[in-house]
Amino acid sequence: GENVEQHPSTLSVQEGDSAVIKCTYSDSASNYFPWYKQELGKRPQLIIDIRSNVGEKKDQRIAVTLNKTAKHFSLHITETQPEDSAVYFCSRTALIFGKGTTLSVSS
Amino acid sequence: DGGITQSPKYLFRKEGQNVTLSCEQNLNHDAMYWYRQDPGQGLRLIYYSQIVNDFQKGDIAEGYSVSREKKESFPLTVTSAQKNPTAFYLCASSQGSSGELFFGEGSRLTVL
Repeated sequence: GENVEQHPSTLSVQEGDSAVIKCTYSDSASNYFPWYKQELGKRPQLIIDIRSNVGEKKDQRIAVTLNKTAKHFSLHITETQPEDSAVYFCSRTALIFGKGTTLSVSS
Repeated sequence: DGGITQSPKYLFRKEGQNVTLSCEQNLNHDAMYWYRQDPGQGLRLIYYSQIVNDFQKGDIAEGYSVSREKKESFPLTVTSAQKNPTAFYLCASSQGSSGELFFGEGSRLTVL
């Protein structure tokens, strides 16, 4: 069945560094690739998404890239700040999520 | 104030009791979902519904039941058949299957 592998499971960076989280998927059906951020004790919220007809999308310090040939999509956060510390989830559809990446940004 | 509301936020129950978690949305979304969140496991789908009076099992439906009698409501019952019910439960809704998910604040169930 469909599967999403998310790596790494934890990521620690210094403030100002970049962070990259990668998800690999197995199917080819869906065309929607969202990323959600969940701060401690709060609900997950969409931070960026991409459709399969584009290869990259940026929103200020956050970007998502999609490689349909290799079947992976990645979240890029530049100039990280302490408030970026959270758990990040990739998703293929509403039915399948990666296991999450805990990002810690130290100042 | 539009959104999705879950209740209760915290719930304690004795082993062997059924419990029902409420999920209500006023976003006029067709699709609603229930997830279970355990540490290191991500979000695992329990049940989902894409239209009123219809719902489908997710990956971990055993021991759970749902109903979708109204568009805005999708309650989840955790039955006594669920072997390990202590968890954090999240409800979400979306307009269509390939759209942004809007989550509730979650319900933390502890079975004593």
